[in-house]
Amino acid sequence: GENVEQHPSTLSVQEGDSAVIKCTYSDSASNYFPWYKQELGKRPQLIIDIRSNVGEKKDQRIAVTLNKTAKHFSLHITETQPEDSAVYFCAAPPNRDSSASKIIFGSGTRLSIRP
Amino acid sequence: DVKVTQSSRYLVKRTGEKVFLECVQDMDHENMFWYRQDPGLGLRLIYFSYDVKMKEKGDIPEGYSVSREKKERFSLILESASTNQTSMYLCASSQGGEAKNIQYFGAGTRLSVL
Repeated sequence: GENVEQHPSTLSVQEGDSAVIKCTYSDSASNYFPWYKQELGKRPQLIIDIRSNVGEKKDQRIAVTLNKTAKHFSLHITETQPEDSAVYFCAAPPNRDSSASKIIFGSGTRLSIRP
Repeated sequence: DVKVTQSSRYLVKRTGEKVFLECVQDMDHENMFWYRQDPGLGLRLIYFSYDVKMKEKGDIPEGYSVSREKKERFSLILESASTNQTSMYLCASSQGGEAKNIQYFGAGTRLSVL
């Protein structure tokens, strides 16, 4: 069945260091991989996404890489800042019913930036 | 900006009560979703709808039902609330077509069932 696994569940890094969050997915036909950020007490918001026809995408300090062969994708945050502290969710759409428009979320990573 | 509005930020209900959670989006989105969010479990899909009066079960539909009579409004119904339904409930919407997988979330409703 459809499954998205996310690791680690918690991550603490020193301000200025890099953070990496990894996700694996089970449906080899999945073709779109978004990342959402949820700050404390706020709603999840899309921060970056990648489609299966590219291997990497960057947006300032944030990048996402995709390895379709291994069926995993990662979020990389460089030069971390206090405002990066949040819960991050990866997601992938199951292809079983492409008209359904649903996506499967990972269990989330709580990222804490130490000053 | 897309706006997804949930009618209540906090709700306290008693076991056995019928509970309605309302969600409205103002961007004419085809798709709407209801999730519950629990620590360590991420976002779990309860139900979703891809058109008016159309609905599909998500991963955890038991104990819930939904209603979508108008395109902009998607309601989650707990027919008889139970304590294990205490959770944060998030509504989301998305366009159809190429952008169907980009979801916009409401601020959430924290429901406590006593």
